[in-house]
Amino acid sequence: NAGVTQTPKFRVLKTGQSMTLLCAQDMNHEYMYWYRQDPGMGLRLIHYSVGEGTTAKGEVPDGYNVSRLKKQNFLLGLESAAPSQTSVYFCASSYSFGRRDETQYFGPGTRLLVL
Amino acid sequence: AQSVTQPDIHITVSEGASLELRCNYSYGATPYLFWYVQSPGQGLQLLLKYFSGDTLVQGIKGFEAEFKRSQSSFNLRKPSVHWSDAAEYFCAVAPREGYSTLTFGKGTMLLVSP
Repeated sequence: NAGVTQTPKFRVLKTGQSMTLLCAQDMNHEYMYWYRQDPGMGLRLIHYSVGEGTTAKGEVPDGYNVSRLKKQNFLLGLESAAPSQTSVYFCASSYSFGRRDETQYFGPGTRLLVL
Repeated sequence: AQSVTQPDIHITVSEGASLELRCNYSYGATPYLFWYVQSPGQGLQLLLKYFSGDTLVQGIKGFEAEFKRSQSSFNLRKPSVHWSDAAEYFCAVAPREGYSTLTFGKGTMLLVSP
């Protein structure tokens, strides 16, 4: 049981390049989330998914797209990277709404530097 | 809109001393409440959570938190801090109804002095 894993751990991009961050979970969770963490800002929700084939916008969705084609995977895409997207990205997952255990479980993070 | 305030950006505590990290929330109804810890270069780990019942919640690593409805607070405490507790601590809330999205505070960095 690996929990939540993220690929890659670190990446450097040039402005305008594209990339996809992969999040995988093996806990059969319905909900998955992408956050970004910036100094002094805490964690801010980018997009989330409440089930396979569904996605929704969070607090800071601009410049990102997501897909949830399989229940265990949640992809975060940057079509045209900008220096403002330099950040640490965290994926998380949780059980479906209505269960008592609404704890989110976090991956180890992906550090992205956009030059 | 719900919000979480952690008024202290940094706190320095001597090893062996007690610790209290403050968290206040603004929300229409009592939300679910969480404390997470993040060690340098690591992901977030859940310390404890409050859903209902006893307002004093015990967590891992000797931490506890007390929910005070009248003050809209959920402060984290530890009676004796260890050097390994140096990390960043995040308070978070989630609504009891609707989708389960967390709102995080901006974090408090704990420094432990010898």
